[in-house]
Amino acid sequence: SAVISQKPSRDICQRGTSLTIQCQVDSQVTMMFWYRQQPGQSLTLIATANQGSEATYESGFVIDKFPISRPNLTFSTLTVSNMSPEDSSIYLCSVGVGGQPQHFGDGTRLSIL
Amino acid sequence: GQQVMQIPQYQHVQEGEDFTTYCNSSTTLSNIQWYKQRPGGHPVFLIQLVKSGEVKKQKRLTFQFGEAKKNSSLHITATQTTDVGTYFCAGQEATGTASKLTFGTGTRLQVTL
Repeated sequence: SAVISQKPSRDICQRGTSLTIQCQVDSQVTMMFWYRQQPGQSLTLIATANQGSEATYESGFVIDKFPISRPNLTFSTLTVSNMSPEDSSIYLCSVGVGGQPQHFGDGTRLSIL
Repeated sequence: GQQVMQIPQYQHVQEGEDFTTYCNSSTTLSNIQWYKQRPGGHPVFLIQLVKSGEVKKQKRLTFQFGEAKKNSSLHITATQTTDVGTYFCAGQEATGTASKLTFGTGTRLQVTL
């Protein structure tokens, strides 16, 4: 299975600032996924990032708030923009081929003051 | 959109007791996956069920996929303290984006001696 490295593992940020989360995979993958997990809650898909095309965002998530880059088949970034306390969550990237299980990074624990 | 609910939300058992979590989807699924998330960790894939009525076992864990492919269950026999965590089912719809997973609400299991 793929090994996924996510950075930073945690951060405390000021309201109104932005943070970029990096996700590096040890093999080439077509699809990468970004999830949000609010405290004590389930995982909610933010967007699907395919290399060479625009990310596909789920209902309730917009590109201006969560811009995503996917420059190659092993790397993606998610930016959380203009942060507010409501953005305090764990952000997880995962990889998976259609119909197959997904493998997750360790996540980024984000707190906004 | 698709919704995946799990019951119970939380269960506390004594070591040695059995545990079951139930997963229900609002739509028919092509497959269902189960993940375990330890406290402070990321979701880890346990198993995937594809066929209607399928039953799979992993040691003390038994997974079942309903005949209508809209529900599933996970049963743990004789729980151990190592079973502590949150168990999520995740479904892939029979139609639509092939790789998109919708996670269930999760069942948090606490096991005490």
